[in-house]
Amino acid sequence: DIQMTQSPSIVSASVGDRVTISCRASQSISSWLAWYQQRPGKAPKLLISKTSSLGGGVPSRFSGSGSGTEFTLTISSLQPEDFATYYCQEYDTYSGTFGQGTKVEIK
Amino acid sequence: EMQLLESGGDLVQPGGSLRLSCETSGFTFSRHSMSWVRQAPGKGLEWVSTISGSGRTKHYGDSVRGRFTVSRDNTKNTLFLQVNSLRVDDTAMYYCAKVQDEYGDYPILDSWGQGTLVTVSS
Repeated sequence: DIQMTQSPSIVSASVGDRVTISCRASQSISSWLAWYQQRPGKAPKLLISKTSSLGGGVPSRFSGSGSGTEFTLTISSLQPEDFATYYCQEYDTYSGTFGQGTKVEIK
Repeated sequence: EMQLLESGGDLVQPGGSLRLSCETSGFTFSRHSMSWVRQAPGKGLEWVSTISGSGRTKHYGDSVRGRFTVSRDNTKNTLFLQVNSLRVDDTAMYYCAKVQDEYGDYPILDSWGQGTLVTVSS
């Protein structure tokens, strides 16, 4: 089974900061990676698929990059509504394994 | 507007069973695979199962295979998850979610319900 590891587990940042979250796959998944945002008490929301394709209505301050086993989610200028937990997910296999999550909290 | 509404969650004893439902609207249900994803209290997301649009192909996570069964009724635009032999560690919010691509099997999940809570406790 593919394992997905995110780092860091928690990011403390301020409004306007640039935030980068990493996701590592235990084996190559080509570009088959998605990112989700989950605000407290809410369902997850798809942000990015196929490593870098923004979902509908997702602000352009979000971007994704990487390939193979190393991937990155970047928020170029953190906004108040971006404080949430972010999950990467591989879909190279049918199992859709998620990373453990990265919480972006207010500094 | 796409809508997904889960129901059927409850407090149940270990070894018990439940049938979760997910009523959908706003998209052509039969063209999309559907998934179940769960989240234990304070924990991360865990993919549970995916079923193809036709219902013929089903995939399960290792932790639920043999105990959970996914199904769908395309005449009622409704997804189901039969959960049997429940264990304490099955306690979680269960979300249904729509696979992004028509006729795709890989779980890129672009629309989610609000979840239904399953609590397994004696």
